[in-house]
Amino acid sequence: AQSVSQHNHHVILSEAASLELGCNYSYGGTVNLFWYVQYPGQHLQLLLKYFSGDPLVKGIKGFEAEFIKSKFSFNLRKPSVQWSDTAEYFCAVNGGFKTIFGAGTRLFVKA
Amino acid sequence: DTAVSQTPKYLVTQMGNDKSIKCEQNLGHDTMYWYKQDSKKFLKIMFSYNNKELIINETVPNRFSPKSPDKAHLNLHINSLELGDSAVYFCASSLEGPNTQYFGPGTRLTVL
Repeated sequence: AQSVSQHNHHVILSEAASLELGCNYSYGGTVNLFWYVQYPGQHLQLLLKYFSGDPLVKGIKGFEAEFIKSKFSFNLRKPSVQWSDTAEYFCAVNGGFKTIFGAGTRLFVKA
Repeated sequence: DTAVSQTPKYLVTQMGNDKSIKCEQNLGHDTMYWYKQDSKKFLKIMFSYNNKELIINETVPNRFSPKSPDKAHLNLHINSLELGDSAVYFCASSLEGPNTQYFGPGTRLTVL
């Protein structure tokens, strides 16, 4: 069965710090990978996605993620966070049938 | 224009009542979903419909019954509400297959 693991449940950073959020999945076949973001009081929206091709994908607001197939990982990165990045971040994996979401990582950026 | 809309946004009700949440999407998508997000923000799929046909039905009490009158609508009816049903319910839609999902604003259900 598919599963998604996000290692960090809560992350607190100061503005301008670099960010890396871990995401690992378990699924043996071809996967499509997503990162969604949920700003306080808002609905989830897509940050970036990987279907195929270049394993380093760039998303909105300066975020990027790298798919490392051998490690079953799809970590999210941003070189310099801003206060407005405070949100909940969800990694999601689809192995062809349904999309499974990770438990989420709550990021708080101190101004 | 709102892509995925849900009504109501807030729902406060007593245990034992029956309530419905409505969802509509104007994106022309084939597939719609209901998710439950608990107080710890954990997001769990409940149901998925493709072209009005149920394709995913997770382990959800049969007090929850989805209905899709057409491709653009997916409603959720809940019978005999319990305290544990309190959560935020999100509707989402996508093109058929493992595509990006577009989420509605959520319905915060509080059962007293």
